[in-house]
Amino acid sequence: GQQVMQIPQYQHVQEGEDFTTYCNSSTTLSNIQWYKQRPGGHPVFLIQLVKSGEVKKQKRLTFQFGEAKKNSSLHITATQTTDVGTYFCAGRGGGADGLTFGKGTHLIIQP
Amino acid sequence: ETGVTQTPRHLVMGMTNKKSLKCEQHLGHNAMYWYKQSAKKPLELMFVYNFKEQTENNSVPSRFSPECPNSSHLFLHLHTLQPEDSALYLCASSHPGLAGYNEQFFGPGTRLTVL
Repeated sequence: GQQVMQIPQYQHVQEGEDFTTYCNSSTTLSNIQWYKQRPGGHPVFLIQLVKSGEVKKQKRLTFQFGEAKKNSSLHITATQTTDVGTYFCAGRGGGADGLTFGKGTHLIIQP
Repeated sequence: ETGVTQTPRHLVMGMTNKKSLKCEQHLGHNAMYWYKQSAKKPLELMFVYNFKEQTENNSVPSRFSPECPNSSHLFLHLHTLQPEDSALYLCASSHPGLAGYNEQFFGPGTRLTVL
């Protein structure tokens, strides 16, 4: 079945440093979504990428979808304490209705 | 956010008990989902319902039985669970679409502990 790998599992950064998480799929994806889950909370949708090579920005967050539509990345510039949480990528492929989630990257920020 | 609600928020049950989890969405969506989130695994999709019809069952054991009486409500009936079933169970909803090109809205989850 479809697998979505996400690295790193944990990332410690100093406040103000940049952060990147990477997502790789074993199969070509029709689209990829990114979610953020705060500690004790539930996943909240951030963005969806659909087109090959697509790049989208939300303030300090930059999302990319690879040319082959098998990988994606999320980059945060100048992290802030409010960025703490787990970032998940989730891919959809093969005509399935549901999403296959990566394990997530836990972002820990040290002030 | 109150778009997707789940009850109860916490549940402790023995292996011989029968209980049900409830999810309700107030967003006018027609697709609903059950996910399992445990500490050492990725968020696992369990069931998908589109317009009240089950469209996916990801090899979930029969001790988990979903029910979707209408597009706003989703239940997960539990019986003879195992301790390894302890996890956070998340419900989500979305607009259905071709190949599911729609964001999912998650509820707060039910934290289940099986003794």
